[in-house]
Amino acid sequence: DGGITQSPKYLFRKEGQNVTLSCEQNLNHDAMYWYRQDPGQGLRLIYYSQIVNDFQKGDIAEGYSVSREKKESFPLTVTSAQKNPTAFYLCASISPQGDTQYFGPGTRLTVL
Amino acid sequence: KNQVEQSPQSLIILEGKNCTLQCNYTVSPFSNLRWYKQDTGRGPVSLTIMTFSENTKSNGRYTATLDADTKQSSLHITASQLSDSASYICVVTSFKAAGNKLTFGGGTRVLVKP
Repeated sequence: DGGITQSPKYLFRKEGQNVTLSCEQNLNHDAMYWYRQDPGQGLRLIYYSQIVNDFQKGDIAEGYSVSREKKESFPLTVTSAQKNPTAFYLCASISPQGDTQYFGPGTRLTVL
Repeated sequence: KNQVEQSPQSLIILEGKNCTLQCNYTVSPFSNLRWYKQDTGRGPVSLTIMTFSENTKSNGRYTATLDADTKQSSLHITASQLSDSASYICVVTSFKAAGNKLTFGGGTRVLVKP
C-alpha cells in the first residue's frame, strides 16, 4: 500500500449524517486523489488535488467535499447530500512525473 | 471521450494454466499505461508501467505488452497460482497542464481454481 494510510477501514453511518474519511501520505507527493469503487465497477474520480490549498472536482463530486490544508493530508467528507454513499473509497497519490502511484488500503463505508 | 475497456469482465482458470487479459484504450494524450492487481477489499497494487516506447514489461509471472499504434495492451499471467485470484485493472495516464488525468478500466476479475 506504499506510504498512504486511510482510516478507518470500515465505517458505518446513519442516513443524514456527514462523515469524514482520512487519507495521509508520507511520500512527499503533491497530487492526491479520491476514488469511489462500487461492486464490479471501475474506479470513479471524486476529487483531486495537485497542490496544497487547491482541489478540483472529479466526475462524481456531488455530495462530497474535500480540503487540502497540508501536503500530507487529503480528507474526504461524505455529506448527507450524497444519496448513495455506500461504497469502497480509495485514496491515491502520484509523483509529479506520473511514474509512481500508490493507493491506500481503502475505507468501506456503509450507510445504515 | 477518454475510455479504457477491459475484457473479459471475468474468467476462471485452473491453477497452473496461463491466461491473457486485454485492455483497449482511447485516451489522448497518452503518457503511460499501468496494470494493477486488486485483492478483494484492498487497494490496487501496481504490477507494471509502460510508456509509449515500451512494448513489453515483466514482473515475475506477469507480462504486460503495449501496442501504442493500435492502442491495445495485454496482461499475461503464466502458471497461475491461487493467489492470482483478484481483479486486474488497466489504467491509462495523460499528462496535462492541469495535472495528471487517470482513466480506469472496469477491471477483469480472475478466479484461479485448484
